[in-house]
Amino acid sequence: GAGVSQTPSNKVTEKGKYVELRCDPISGHTALYWYRQSLGQGPEFLIYFQGTGAADDSGLPNDRFFAVRPEGSVSTLKIQRTERGDSAMYLCASSLSLGVTGTGELFFGEGSRLTVL
Amino acid sequence: GESVGLHLPTLSVQEGDNSIINCAYSNSASDYFIWYKQESGKGPQFIIDIRSNMDKRQGQRVTVLLNKTVKHLSLQIAATQPGDSAVYFCAENRQGDDKIIFGKGTRLHILP
Repeated sequence: GAGVSQTPSNKVTEKGKYVELRCDPISGHTALYWYRQSLGQGPEFLIYFQGTGAADDSGLPNDRFFAVRPEGSVSTLKIQRTERGDSAMYLCASSLSLGVTGTGELFFGEGSRLTVL
Repeated sequence: GESVGLHLPTLSVQEGDNSIINCAYSNSASDYFIWYKQESGKGPQFIIDIRSNMDKRQGQRVTVLLNKTVKHLSLQIAATQPGDSAVYFCAENRQGDDKIIFGKGTRLHILP
């Protein structure tokens, strides 16, 4: 499809395990964002890529969280030693560069729901 | 079962009436604002945006008002329809920063 694709849609894991969440953005979108959304809350910014580089990773909560985008397209969010508090919906969004288009229209995927038991 | 949005403020509106959803922001450096709609089980969807050099912008059935003096943003939806039922988020972008920060949402509930 033409939209942002996230896999898996649901992931259940045990505390302490390692998890990878994948995001396939819209073709041609240079900007890619990861957000985390807990129940009843707004999306919380984690990290933003412009091309292959992480332009802003100030939202990553700690060093257990890491994200890559090696070829400037697909991105993977990696969580080490998962904790129960990591349980949330992880949303990915892509766009043309805000600085280029002047628009904040982000195109979101349907998210990956992570449950840590 | 899942209680999505249990702690969200809720606005209940009669079908056909106008809805007004409010948002306050705190950062004076923010110069660009966006409203997103999130339906159950989906990612947020862009509705409309406004820059700080404007105080009003209209779209199809929606109007965004910006009051920079009191750092307040509102989204007006005309003739509310059942399909407008969702959680609405305001978001802001700060000068010199490409990230978009979301605020707390409001659940819009449409009464038949």
